[in-house]
Amino acid sequence: KAGVTQTPRYLIKTRGQQVTLSCSPISGHRSVSWYQQTPGQGLQFLFEYFSETQRNKGNFPGRFSGRQFSNSRSEMNVSTLELGDSALYLCASSLKGAGSPLHFGNGTRLTVT
Amino acid sequence: LAKTTQPISMDSYEGQEVNITCSHNNIATNDYITWYQQFPSQGPRFIIQGYKTKVTNEVASLFIPADRKSSTLSLPRVSLSDTAVYYCLVGGIQAAGNKLTFGGGTRVLVKP
Repeated sequence: KAGVTQTPRYLIKTRGQQVTLSCSPISGHRSVSWYQQTPGQGLQFLFEYFSETQRNKGNFPGRFSGRQFSNSRSEMNVSTLELGDSALYLCASSLKGAGSPLHFGNGTRLTVT
Repeated sequence: LAKTTQPISMDSYEGQEVNITCSHNNIATNDYITWYQQFPSQGPRFIIQGYKTKVTNEVASLFIPADRKSSTLSLPRVSLSDTAVYYCLVGGIQAAGNKLTFGGGTRVLVKP
């Protein structure tokens, strides 16, 4: 079974631009969640989608948004990029929700200059 | 909100047992405890999950006391390839989003 796939692997953007990251979950997994990982703040939860609906949201500004498609693939968008948005963005899928182990992709490394 | 605390780093030697404790004083009734391993430039990988008492699989054991305010990941007979960062996660995905709380991670260095 293929794992979680994130594209692109690396991305360089300029302040003020916007960016869209993509995540393809493991086949059959309906929950997709997103995380930001930085050296200073560690792993922080952004949001989670289940059956195309945002079910949970972390404490990030509205510039961070996402969506999930009918095939469970998910995208994350960050608008008006700031230098502090430079991070590794990780996507994880899980089978059904509460307590289900997360299966992570290898992330998208975003650098904002 | 279940805040978690882990040691920042630990050193060990090949063949030894490594025990990493995570404190989660405010764990909720429906929270699970899950541990992940992360290598550089990779996403975290699931190691083990538990709710209470002891859980064991082919790579690790997880000890959870009755009050569930802490948990200990035990890695038996570590090898050099176990050098990684280990994260404790407390929460349930169906709970309010900010209950998915990762610990700061414990950097484990296994020496020859």
